[in-house]
Amino acid sequence: AQTVTQSQPEMSVQEAETVTLSCTYDTSENNYYLFWYKQPPSRQMILVIRQEAYKQQNATENRFSVNFQKAAKSFSLKISDSQLGDTAMYFCAFKGGSEKLVFGKGTKLTVNP
Amino acid sequence: DTGVSQDPRHKITKRGQNVTFRCDPISEHNRLYWYRQTLGQGPEFLTYFQNEAQLEKSRLLSDRFSAERPKGSFSTLEIQRTEQGDSAMYLCASSLGSSEDTEAFFGQGTRLTVV
Repeated sequence: AQTVTQSQPEMSVQEAETVTLSCTYDTSENNYYLFWYKQPPSRQMILVIRQEAYKQQNATENRFSVNFQKAAKSFSLKISDSQLGDTAMYFCAFKGGSEKLVFGKGTKLTVNP
Repeated sequence: DTGVSQDPRHKITKRGQNVTFRCDPISEHNRLYWYRQTLGQGPEFLTYFQNEAQLEKSRLLSDRFSAERPKGSFSTLEIQRTEQGDSAMYLCASSLGSSEDTEAFFGQGTRLTVV
């Protein structure tokens, strides 16, 4: 069974600075997708960024980028120029041959003014 | 269509009562998923539908839980004889389900409190 581990329960960063959230996963599959989802307080979960395992190039979406290390089974999220609106829970998730998403426990990110 | 809609947003019920939640997915999405999220945890998969067919169920889905998607549009999740351990946020998500489109869109969830 796949597992996703987020080792940082909470993190904080100053506005305009850069922060990196860690995620590792375990799978025996070769083809899969990895995701970072953002869940603001009392609001719905939204997709931040996704990475296809067969692509070597790291995905980027504006201020968000990932460092995907397939051999190490590592998938970290870098947020540049942090904004107050980035304050949220961030979940790393895995999707393999099954349709279900497997989530980590999340990292609570606080951006301080 | 403004996204995945869930109703109610909050539900408080007494232990032993039955509850039913509804999810309306994005209209063109043929896949619908239910997840459960307890405090301090990430969402855990419960079940998913492709159109009206329920294709996968988690072992978390005990016999007190049942989900339906009768016409391949909205879905309901019923919990019978609720227990305090059922208190959680129940999330619904939908996706197009094509091989190239793997993004799931989530609703705001139904928060269940069993007292």
